[in-house]
Amino acid sequence: SQKIEQNSEALNIQEGKTATLTCNYTNYSPAYLQWYRQDPGRGPVFLLLIRENEKEKRKERLKVTFDTTLKQSLFHITAPQPADSATYLCARPAGGSQGNLIFGKGTKLSVKP
Amino acid sequence: DAGVIQSPRHEVTEMGQEVTLRCKPISGHDYLFWYRQTMMRGLELLIYFNNNVPIDDSGMPEDRFSAKMPNASFSTLKIQPSEPRDSAVYFCASSFNRNNEQFFGPGTRLTVL
Repeated sequence: SQKIEQNSEALNIQEGKTATLTCNYTNYSPAYLQWYRQDPGRGPVFLLLIRENEKEKRKERLKVTFDTTLKQSLFHITAPQPADSATYLCARPAGGSQGNLIFGKGTKLSVKP
Repeated sequence: DAGVIQSPRHEVTEMGQEVTLRCKPISGHDYLFWYRQTMMRGLELLIYFNNNVPIDDSGMPEDRFSAKMPNASFSTLKIQPSEPRDSAVYFCASSFNRNNEQFFGPGTRLTVL
C-alpha cells in the first residue's frame, strides 16, 4: 500500500531562519504531492501542489521540491515568522483509479521570535 | 461561497448513543470526503463520494459507522452505537475533481464518554 511519512513530529526554529520540512513516500512516485497547513481547531488548508515532473514550485515565501530519486518532498519557508507556526501536512494520491489522498501525520512547526 | 459547512462543531455524548455528523460541501464540487483525525493516527480517510455515490468505504472502522449523501449538497456520517474510542475530530472535505485541492470544513470534535 502507498505510504507517506513526515518523520519530524515537531520542528522549533528561530524567526528568520529558513524552515525545512520533509515528506517521504514509498513505492512508486505519485503524479503529484500536495501540502496543507493546519492551525489548531481548524481544518487543513491547501497550500501548494507539485507535480512529478516539476522539480520545484514557489509561492511567496514557500518553496516545495519533489525528488523522485530520493522519494522525497521538501517544504521550505523563507524568513519564517511566528504567524507561520502551524502543523504542515503532505499528501499523495492513493493511486490507481482512486480519487482520495493519503495524508502524512504532519510536522508541527513553532517559530520563536 | 461559505466553504464547507459542518455541524455540530462539538458533540459530547455517552457511550451507546447515536451520533450524526452533517456536512454541506462547496457547491459544484463533485467529490466529498469524510476523515477522522487523532493524535495517534493522524488524518484518516473514512469514506468518499463522487457525484453522491460512495466510492470507497474501506476506511470505515466497522459496521457501527455509516455515511450517506442523499444529494449534492448534503452528507451525513452516523455512528451507532458510539464508543469512547470514537472520540476524535471528524472532518468533511470537498473537491472539484479527484486531482484538485481539497477544501476542508472546520471539523466536528466528538467526545464519547
